[in-house]
Amino acid sequence: GAVVSQHPSRVICKSGTSVKIECRSLDFQATTMFWYRQFPKQSLMLMATSNEGSKATYEQGVEKDKFLINHASLTLSTLTVTSAHPEDSSFYICSARVRADTQYFGPGTRLTVL
Amino acid sequence: GENVEQHPSTLSVQEGDSAVIKCTYSDSASNYFPWYKQELGKRPQLIIDIRSNVGEKKDQRIAVTLNKTAKHFSLHITETQPEDSAVYFCAASIQNNDMRFGAGTRLTVKP
Repeated sequence: GAVVSQHPSRVICKSGTSVKIECRSLDFQATTMFWYRQFPKQSLMLMATSNEGSKATYEQGVEKDKFLINHASLTLSTLTVTSAHPEDSSFYICSARVRADTQYFGPGTRLTVL
Repeated sequence: GENVEQHPSTLSVQEGDSAVIKCTYSDSASNYFPWYKQELGKRPQLIIDIRSNVGEKKDQRIAVTLNKTAKHFSLHITETQPEDSAVYFCAASIQNNDMRFGAGTRLTVKP
């Protein structure tokens, strides 16, 4: 299957700082990537759809100014959590769409905000 | 929008038995139904998928069935092994649109 990488795998930061998470498709080009958030023992909640060369589409209730998404190339999308607070602590996972439907996931980033 | 419901939330079986997980979806336009397996702290891994033009698909011990009329699809795992223990998510999507996930099923296979 297609390979998606994500960096960093873990990050601990102080409240008020910003954190950038990178999602890369390693062996294919992805015009569309997705960002999910997953709380412990819960499902994957779609935050936004990242489209190469255009603005991201955010799900209802997700603050676009807090979760900045940039899809600058066909192999890279970034999620920046701005002014992070403890309630932003979570497991963030990206995915990249291959063909019209299949999605492959990155390994996830565990964010802990102190 | 699409709403996916998944049952049961937890499932415990004895090694060698079969496990069945069921999902229903709300949008009749959905035409792609993947199943993902997620081990603790790891990424969801695609294990099998089915598209709306087929009713059943099998890959070794794993099979998925789809009933478009009733808008439900199921994952069947036969001859379960301890390494099958994980959380399984179903999902539904319309081609070129985003995917909606079920709440997940925590499967435990007891040796």
